[in-house]
Amino acid sequence: SAVISQKPSRDICQRGTSLTIQCQVDSQVTMMFWYRQQPGQSLTLIATANQGSEATYESGFVIDKFPISRPNLTFSTLTVSNMSPEDSSIYLCSVEQGVAEAFFGQGTRLTVV
Amino acid sequence: QKEVEQNSGPLSVPEGAIASLNCTYSDRGSQSFFWYRQYSGKSPELIMFIYSNGDKEDGRFTAQLNKASQYVSLLIRDSQPSDSATYLCAVRVGDMRFGAGTRLTVKP
Repeated sequence: SAVISQKPSRDICQRGTSLTIQCQVDSQVTMMFWYRQQPGQSLTLIATANQGSEATYESGFVIDKFPISRPNLTFSTLTVSNMSPEDSSIYLCSVEQGVAEAFFGQGTRLTVV
Repeated sequence: QKEVEQNSGPLSVPEGAIASLNCTYSDRGSQSFFWYRQYSGKSPELIMFIYSNGDKEDGRFTAQLNKASQYVSLLIRDSQPSDSATYLCAVRVGDMRFGAGTRLTVKP
């Protein structure tokens, strides 16, 4: 399975600021995925990032709030912009391999104060 | 109706017992089914996947799929305290859709 390195692992941020989360994969992958997991809830897909094209966002998520970069086949970033306490969550990057199983990075635990 | 539904639990079983985790899904076009384990503060890790109706066994874990009933389950035999975690059911219909998870506690 792919080894996915995600950082930072956690952060506490002031409201109104932005945080960029990085995700590095040890092999080339076509698509990378960004999820949010709010406390006690399941994973919600934010967007799918393809190299060389704009990310595809799920309903309820917009590029201005969650800009994504995908400069190459092993790296992606997710920015959480103009943060509010409602953005406090765990953010996970994911890739798919094999027979389409999803593998996850370690996650970023974000607290907005 | 949620796309993927699981009992939130908590489900508590004694050590050595069989833990049974259940999941239903709404989209009959769902193609593949996954079980993930998530320890507190950690990211989900894949336990098993299943595509065809019937049972699939891997060590102490058995996944069961019934497409007619839109039902998938995970059995954990000889449950151990280290199995205590939240178990996420995931269904692929194009994208991966996750259930809310069932929290399992295995008591020594």
